[in-house]
Amino acid sequence: NAGVTQTPKFRILKIGQSMTLQCAQDMNHNYMYWYRQDPGMGLKLIYYSVGAGITDKGEVPNGYNVSRSTTEDFPLRLELAAPSQTSVYFCASSYEARTSGFREQYFGPGTRLTVT
Amino acid sequence: GQSLEQPSEVTAVEGAIVQINCTYQTSGFYGLSWYQQHDGGAPTFLSYNALDGLEETGRFSSFLSRSDSYGYLLLQELQMKDSASYFCAVSNQGGKLIFGQGTELSVKP
Repeated sequence: NAGVTQTPKFRILKIGQSMTLQCAQDMNHNYMYWYRQDPGMGLKLIYYSVGAGITDKGEVPNGYNVSRSTTEDFPLRLELAAPSQTSVYFCASSYEARTSGFREQYFGPGTRLTVT
Repeated sequence: GQSLEQPSEVTAVEGAIVQINCTYQTSGFYGLSWYQQHDGGAPTFLSYNALDGLEETGRFSSFLSRSDSYGYLLLQELQMKDSASYFCAVSNQGGKLIFGQGTELSVKP
């Protein structure tokens, strides 16, 4: 199993450009998440999905959009990139544990994005 | 709202024991998780507590007190490779994780 994969690894965008960060998992997890991590900080949840066709906002959704058409893929779209979106973006997935709420999240290697 | 507090950095020597504390304020609390992150790489799961008490996994243990909204991660027999950032995170009914800002652990020889 490849686990959680993300592309690209690095990207430099100009202000106002758009791009899609790709995320895929091969563990048949229902739950998928997008986080951003600024230097020296924790991870902030951008969007998450509990299954194909279902998405919801996290803590910092402004400036981003997501879709979930399949169980495997969860792309993150940046429209009109701004310098404030310079960050490292991590995708994660997890299975559902109905009783304990325990959902170990498996993270991808991250995409390092710079907006100038 | 939801918030977590943990120390920003901790230093310890090889072979020692170190404890990283985490206090939280949240609604709909299900459990407290701990993640390790080396040099900005992918965070990896260490442990999870849903109930009060201590969970032990090898050299790492994690503790939770739900009444005090408090938990800690205990690392024993510290090794140089344990130098990393450690994050506590609370999970709620929606399956979301809210992360603390992380504790950078430096292990000295």
